[in-house]
Amino acid sequence: GAVVSQHPSWVICKSGTSVKIECRSLDFQATTMFWYRQFPKQSLMLMATSNEGSKATYEQGVEKDKFLINHASLTLSTLTVTSAHPEDSSFYICSATPDRIAGDSNEQYFGPGTRLTVT
Amino acid sequence: GNSVTQMEGPVTLSEEAFLTINCTYTATGYPSLFWYVQYPGEGLQLLLKATKADDKGSNKGFEATYRKETTSFHLEKGSVQVSDSAVYFCALSSAGNNRKLIWGLGTSLAVNP
Repeated sequence: GAVVSQHPSWVICKSGTSVKIECRSLDFQATTMFWYRQFPKQSLMLMATSNEGSKATYEQGVEKDKFLINHASLTLSTLTVTSAHPEDSSFYICSATPDRIAGDSNEQYFGPGTRLTVT
Repeated sequence: GNSVTQMEGPVTLSEEAFLTINCTYTATGYPSLFWYVQYPGEGLQLLLKATKADDKGSNKGFEATYRKETTSFHLEKGSVQVSDSAVYFCALSSAGNNRKLIWGLGTSLAVNP
């Protein structure tokens, strides 16, 4: 159990276009999901916390108007990179914590990631 | 604020060698501690965790003990295999309900046959 999927696994888009990435918890409900960005050979950078039914909480320095997050249901969060530019090229990863194990453990399950390349 | 410090890599070992990857943390209260692993071309996977002092997390031959007195959570394995080659991340989650993970920078491990 506790599987998280992401779609697409990779995408190439032209500069100026928008790209939507989906994150789904397949066998559990998650009130909270997280979006990360990972640069080559570096650690994960938390971009935002996605909350079902409310606005996402963005980390300092992350443009909320550029990285739109929608958490419309307990199993789906989407990240839309608007007006993408080559510097947005990166590996985007989502994670979720099952509501059923909510508590101090705070264990997260990760999606396989989405490789975005903006040309 | 909370932080995690991991030993820098890359670490290169021969098969069957002993592995230690150091991880120390700074946190208020009583955080939960995690080791995640990222195999080449794959997503992050939870390797092991510990939620309170003196707990030992273990999985796939890896172990880590939550040492509050030294604020450490070092990862160890007695005999590594080529298949253990991956990037290992230490992380902590503060007590409370915001569920954020604070990450170390990751340590790349390469095991040669």
